[in-house]
Amino acid sequence: EVQLVESGGGLVQPGGSLKLSCAASGFTFSGSAMHWVRQASGKGLEWVGRVRSKANSYATTYPASVKGRFTISRDDSKNTAYLQMNGLKTADTAVYYCTISDDGGNSIFDYWGQGILVTVSS
Amino acid sequence: DIQMTQSPSTLSASIGDRVTITCRASQSISRWLAWYQQKPGKAPKLLIYTASSLQSGVPSRFSGSGSGTEFTLTINSLQPDDFATYYCQQYNTYSLTFGGGTKVEIK
Repeated sequence: EVQLVESGGGLVQPGGSLKLSCAASGFTFSGSAMHWVRQASGKGLEWVGRVRSKANSYATTYPASVKGRFTISRDDSKNTAYLQMNGLKTADTAVYYCTISDDGGNSIFDYWGQGILVTVSS
Repeated sequence: DIQMTQSPSTLSASIGDRVTITCRASQSISRWLAWYQQKPGKAPKLLIYTASSLQSGVPSRFSGSGSGTEFTLTINSLQPDDFATYYCQQYNTYSLTFGGGTKVEIK
């Protein structure tokens, strides 16, 4: 059974940093791309970025809204993906989900974590 | 980035109705489109991929169509479990984008 479990969320001040973790099990982690998707309260889904597998040089892609502030990484030995968030803004307040896709062109999401809340506030 | 526009944003319907949700892309995405259903407090659930392929385990009353820039999700004979918010997502490019969502409410 595929499981994705996020951790590391909480309250952080504007301008601060936070690192989320996503512990994965039940599938071949090293061969999958790992993504983060967020959702502000009452709003829609926003893709936050991906990290590809070692076979694709751990390449990362981000949307403009977080590029330069957020970094996604992975540790295949721990079956864990990370989202390092720096320079946080109140607009980054959201539930953050980790999700997986194949590492080719089919970035569709059949498995999701339960989500973790990040609140950016003074 | 490719912009995805869904309509309507809210839809009121009754049990047994046929419901259609539209998703438009700002440029052609071929058939690289997925649909998700999300209920309050839960993660999204994949319904459809490559515009019209039904994900395993999803009821056959859900169907998708379209290509290029215009896509539809149809729910035939709406059931109580179908009241939720639906999102489209393009994966034609490495920068992924979701539509704004369509909330299907009980009339």
